[in-house]
Parts: sequence; C-alpha cells; structure tokens
Amino acid sequence: SQQGEEDPQALSIQEGENATMNCSYKTSINNLQWYRQNSGRGLVHLILIRSNEREKHSGRLRVTLDTSKKSSSLLITASRAADTASYFCATGDNAGNMLTFGGGTRLMVKP
Amino acid sequence: NAGVTQTPKFQVLKTGQSMTLQCAQDMNHEYMSWYRQDPGMGLRLIHYSVGAGITDQGEVPNGYNVSRSTTEDFPLRLLSAAPSQTSVYFCASSYSSTNTEAFFGQGTRLTVV
Repeated sequence: SQQGEEDPQALSIQEGENATMNCSYKTSINNLQWYRQNSGRGLVHLILIRSNEREKHSGRLRVTLDTSKKSSSLLITASRAADTASYFCATGDNAGNMLTFGGGTRLMVKP
Repeated sequence: NAGVTQTPKFQVLKTGQSMTLQCAQDMNHEYMSWYRQDPGMGLRLIHYSVGAGITDQGEVPNGYNVSRSTTEDFPLRLLSAAPSQTSVYFCASSYSSTNTEAFFGQGTRLTVV
C-alpha cells in the first residue's frame, strides 16, 4: 500500500508562478525524498530531508517537513516549462525497508 | 558512468509467455529493487535485494522471480505473463535501503496481450 499521498494529483500553472505540492504519509519515517519523472523516463532524485530537519533548499526547490502532521511540501519557485513533469514523494523508515512511493502530482507549466 | 541500465525498453508478450527484464548498475550499490508503475498508483515494490545472494519480496511479488548472483545485475523474471502484468517496470539501486537517494533506470514498458 502507498505510504505517501500527494496532493493535488494534477496542477497547471503559468511560467514564472510558484508550484506547491504536498505529501502526507502514515507511519514513522527516517527521511522523506522527492523525485521528478519526465514523461516516459525514469525517476530522478531531487532532494532528501531527514526526520530531524524542518526545511531544506536546493536551487529553486524548497522542501518542508512536519513530522507532527506527517506531511511534507515541495515548492518550486519561478517555474519554467521544463519543470513540467510528475513529482513523487517517497518515504524511508528506520526498519531498513525500501522506499515507499506516493501516487504523484502531475505538474504542467504553460509557457 | 552509465548508472542503472534496463533492457529492453519496450516488450510485448502473449499471455503465458515468460521473459526476463534485465537491470545492471555500475555504481557498486548493494541495494537494488524492482518497482512497477501503473496509472495513478505510483510505484509499487515487487522485489528487492540487499546484496549479492540475498533477495526479498516487496508489496506485489506474485508472478515474478528475482535472483542476485552479482552486485551489478538484478534480473526480474516473469514466469507466465498475464494481462495484469502490463505496466512500466523500473529498476533502482542505492547505497543503502532508504537513507540515500535511489538511482532509477529508464524503465521497461511491458504489454501483455
């Protein structure tokens, strides 16, 4: 069963706007990761945030983690058409299990 | 540095046929895994391996077999293909199980008719 659930399932914005995607999960985690998948391609790792971290930045990406609410958000600032992709959150636990992925958010950035 | 290489990229099988999806990585990662991706379902773990000679089942293992004879290779075998196995299959490798990023192959799009 899926651990993470992304919200919204689909998002359409104009180039230059910010895009925010949310991820909720059910059980205790060691870390949460975000991946991007361009159409027809494999997943590419974007950022990893550990359970003792609250916020992390990487370029135009900002990730927050609220373990009390079991939720995370991914913010892409000043979006570009090239950001059009599906974005997935994945959770890692402390039991040595493999990553568990959510259903993803499909982002479309219109030029 | 090729990363994770999957072959073939596309495959059409008839119901009941068997085949092997190949996966190879050149990063000396101990952890390798196979996921299937269906529309709206995200990625679901089929089988995984924590090192050569060690494999275990994931969330949806039925109908699939794996083996890990070397660190580099982790093939996935479909024993008797069924239409329900129509999906996109991804192989991934990582330095650890969940504490580091996973590297994914480009995927194999399998259709069972």
